[in-house]
Amino acid sequence: DAGITQSPRHKVTETGTPVTLRCHQTENHRYMYWYRQDPGHGLRLIHYSYGVKDTDKGEVSDGYSVSRSKTEDFLLTLESATSSQTSVYFCAISESGQAYNEQFFGPGTRLTVL
Amino acid sequence: EDQVTQSPEALRLQEGESSSLNCSYTVSGLRGLFWYRQDPGKGPEFLFTLYSAGEEKEKERLKATLTKKESFLHITAPKPEDSATYLCAVQPISNFGNEKLTFGTGTRLTIIP
Repeated sequence: DAGITQSPRHKVTETGTPVTLRCHQTENHRYMYWYRQDPGHGLRLIHYSYGVKDTDKGEVSDGYSVSRSKTEDFLLTLESATSSQTSVYFCAISESGQAYNEQFFGPGTRLTVL
Repeated sequence: EDQVTQSPEALRLQEGESSSLNCSYTVSGLRGLFWYRQDPGKGPEFLFTLYSAGEEKEKERLKATLTKKESFLHITAPKPEDSATYLCAVQPISNFGNEKLTFGTGTRLTIIP
């Protein structure tokens, strides 16, 4: 398995509170991604990073922010959690270059916003 | 807009009964098509990358093929441990350099002993 961990693995929080999810990799890969997975929608990209302090928005970025201060860590913050952000969140990593564009996924974080 | 459609949504097979899963896609230009396996409560596990029409890749009982409009994941003589959701994703050429993928919603495969 690719060396990707996510924390916490499960979290229950209340509407309006800030939440931070952490993704940690030991592969030294350049690219890191945050996805959410919901029934009927598949995996949707929230934000991604192409290097330290280099990030960009994905398809469903509203209400989320990210930070990457070190190669190995990528943080996803829900600034003020809403019930619509109840989901399973996956982090993924990939190396750049044509031979390495597969993405490898972490185990996921199940977030419930009450 | 890039689109990926997988069919069927769910498939139940008897052990040993071969079948195929379909992934239809529309992209401006295809850089790569990816197949993943996802078990309940886990992250997707990478299976294959296909780059050009006519390409085929195999792994144990699975074989993935690619045409200009769709990909098939053929499962030969499946076993109960092949039960999982299989996801398809595409990377358009326009996204070269940032590796963004568009995923389908998956096919949930159940193999009955």
